[in-house]
Parts: sequence; structure tokens; C-alpha cells
Amino acid sequence: GQSLEQPSEVTAVEGAIVQINCTYQTSGFYGLSWYQQHDGGAPTFLSYNALDGLEETGRFSSFLSRSDSYGYLLLQELQMKDSASYFCAVQNQGGKLIFGQGTELSVKP
Amino acid sequence: GAVVSQHPSWVICKSGTSVKIECRSLDFQATTMFWYRQFPKQSLMLMATSNEGSKATYEQGVEKDKFLINHASLTLSTLTVTSAHPEDSSFYICSARDVAGSSYEQYFGPGTRLTVT
Repeated sequence: GQSLEQPSEVTAVEGAIVQINCTYQTSGFYGLSWYQQHDGGAPTFLSYNALDGLEETGRFSSFLSRSDSYGYLLLQELQMKDSASYFCAVQNQGGKLIFGQGTELSVKP
Repeated sequence: GAVVSQHPSWVICKSGTSVKIECRSLDFQATTMFWYRQFPKQSLMLMATSNEGSKATYEQGVEKDKFLINHASLTLSTLTVTSAHPEDSSFYICSARDVAGSSYEQYFGPGTRLTVT
């Protein structure tokens, strides 16, 4: 079977740094993606890691350790608009995405 | 670029009727599109993979006779919910991969909220 685990909710204040962890168990693995989804909206792509290490894109960074089946999304200089749900997703063969349950991030002033 | 549209954005239908949802890639070609279902405060569950010119591949537990998928062109896939029931009420989202783009990025449509009364 396939499963991904991530915290259900995280709260942080503006300007802070927050890390959302994701562990996975899958039968096939090509890479780990992160998506952001605001209430009622479409998921938007944030980052992708196929190899071990850190990928940085502006205020967002993502890390992957394939040997530990673990990754995280790091959000820096938090802004109110970052309040949303964040999903990690394993990419399988054929481009299929298997999503985690999502982490609801609340950014407080 | 890389815009995916869905139509309709929301629909209310009566139990027993069928509803068709369209997913279009507006500025790129997509040989593969994916259909997801999302219940409130829950994750996106992959329902099926839609391949242009061939039959869709359904995930385990998804009834292919109930959720009919057609991918007739490189820019259009449709999902028809047949004989809809209240438990089919959900947020249906499609995504598409650009044949000329990266292998990992998927572009999601804005979703269709289906309510079956």
C-alpha cells in the first residue's frame, strides 16, 4: 500500500519560519512534490524533489531524504497569505500523484 | 502559461441524473490528465488517469461505469458522473501534464463543486 503522513495543522506568527514534515511509504517512488491549496481553490505547485537534498525557491524550500522516506517543506518569512493547506505528494510511474492528508497552516499576526 | 480550466465551476443536480464535467488545457497539449475527488477538509484522492486516445485507467475502488472518462483530444478530458447520488457530492479537480514540459509538474484546474440533491 501507499501512505503519506504529515501533521494535520500548524500555527505560526507572521515573519516566523515553519517546517512541515512528510513521511511516506510507497510501492513506487519518482519524487516528492509539495502543493498549496487555499480554501475552495485549486492546488498550486510549490516544489519537487527527485534527489536527496534541499531545493530552494524564494521563501519556500523543500528537502528530501530517500533513504529515510522523509521530506519537509520550509516556509520562511511567513505572511498572512501563506495561510492555506499544504500537501505533500509522491509521484509514481506515469506521473500519478498520491497526496498526503494535508497540513492546515494558520499564520497569526 | 499552463492554464487548466474546468466547466462548470459548480453544479447542482437531482439524484439519478448524470453530470458532465469538462477539463481543458488552454495553452498547452496534455496527453495525460488526471481526475481527483476531494471531500471537505480532506486530501485529493486520485480517481483515474485519462490518456488521449485510449481508455482511462481507474484507481482501485473507483467504479468505471459510474465515472465515465473520455479524453478525445490533446486539450480536453471529460468526466461524467452517471446516476448521481448524494454521496457523490464532492469537489472534482482535474490536472494535466504538459507534453512539452517537465515530467513532474501537474497543472490543476479550479475544480467543480458537485451537489446532488
